[in-house]
Amino acid sequence: EAGVVQSPRYKIIEKKQPVAFWCNPISGHNTLYWYRQNLGQGPELLIRYENEEAVDDSQLPKDRFSAERLKGVDSTLKIQPAELGDSAVYLCASSLHGSLNTEAFFGQGTRLTVV
Amino acid sequence: GQQVMQIPQYQHVQEGEDFTTYCNSSTTLSNIQWYKQRPGGHPVFLIQLVKSGEVKKQKRLTFQFGEAKKNSSLHITATQTTDVGTYFCASGGSQGNLIFGKGTKLSVKP
Repeated sequence: EAGVVQSPRYKIIEKKQPVAFWCNPISGHNTLYWYRQNLGQGPELLIRYENEEAVDDSQLPKDRFSAERLKGVDSTLKIQPAELGDSAVYLCASSLHGSLNTEAFFGQGTRLTVV
Repeated sequence: GQQVMQIPQYQHVQEGEDFTTYCNSSTTLSNIQWYKQRPGGHPVFLIQLVKSGEVKKQKRLTFQFGEAKKNSSLHITATQTTDVGTYFCASGGSQGNLIFGKGTKLSVKP
């Protein structure tokens, strides 16, 4: 069974440029999470989807970040414009039923460097 | 909102020594999950605890959930170099958000 797939693995952009990350969750998983992880820190939840609905985006900086999960499967996370402080690893995770606290499976992450 | 605090932040041990990391919350948790992240890797699920006072074992790893469901611990007996990584506890709240602690980074000296 394929795991959570993220792309790209690495991205280097100049500040003020846009960037997008893509996530393909495990088939059949209703819940999809986007996390941001800074060096030496724990994953910080940005947004959680239940199927195609964003049920919690309270931690998403909405002035520059946006996300979508069309058809309740793949998801994209976009930053526009990027700032130096956005440099981090962006992790996508999926879970069969997050509302029932089933385990989360993480992708390899996208390491973003903003210069 | 739900928050979990982990201590210590770092732990350096000699191979063969034991290791324990603690996870604490000011509020009652519906459950606690533990994850391990190897250097350069992504978090990998280890276990979930749900019941008050629950204890689960996985080989050399022992997980406990406090009676009041406000704290949890992970204990590794006789550490090995393969145990190196960062251990996170995560709280799965009633609304389904999975909130992570800052983690305990374990290094093991051979």
